[in-house]
Amino acid sequence: RKEVEQDPGPFNVPEGATVAFNCTYSNSASQSFFWYRQDCRKEPKLLMSVYSSGNEDGRFTAQLNRASQYISLLIRDSKLSDSATYLCAVVPNFGNEKLTFGTGTRLTIIP
Amino acid sequence: GAVVSQHPSRVICKSGTSVKIECRSLDFQATTMFWYRQFPKQSLMLMATSNEGSKATYEQGVEKDKFLINHASLTLSTLTVTSAHPEDSSFYICSARSLNRGETPYGYTFGSGTRLTVV
Repeated sequence: RKEVEQDPGPFNVPEGATVAFNCTYSNSASQSFFWYRQDCRKEPKLLMSVYSSGNEDGRFTAQLNRASQYISLLIRDSKLSDSATYLCAVVPNFGNEKLTFGTGTRLTIIP
Repeated sequence: GAVVSQHPSRVICKSGTSVKIECRSLDFQATTMFWYRQFPKQSLMLMATSNEGSKATYEQGVEKDKFLINHASLTLSTLTVTSAHPEDSSFYICSARSLNRGETPYGYTFGSGTRLTVV
């Protein structure tokens, strides 16, 4: 089983819609969780960290469910500029600072 | 904010030659550098982790003699792809962490990547 798994998509949604992604992780001892955005042929950019209490940044909301070992990202009122690949990333455990990425979910916002 | 400068951004080389990729932390000390590789439509796969002044730790399946990593200073790490072959063509990205977590947002700063094409 992969350490971090995502639905690769693609997700094609109309502008203004709400879209949600999930990402599962296999190591229950995982400590840190992130969502990154990657545009074509570019490096990943940090979108937000994911906390147990959930966190929100404008139109973006991230949640962590430790019991079921998944993290989620919700994008409300989607914009054309949200089109990108969204990668979840996990730091497996204390003392191991490697950032392990999921395969990424391709999102295209349709006008 | 923290910046990692990665060069070159694109390189085309002949099969059998070696290519060096540099990552420099411009305004912080990168005590740990991670090197990733990303093939088209795939995720970033960690190749190795290097700590300043120490030998790199390679992930399973990554040939340490082929992908030479040097992290001799707190601001510079290099990845050399030796005797490159077409199957090494990929997008290589570095990511730096600082000993002082406060120096980099959430701890990981990525370079802009190097697109390597071996012909």
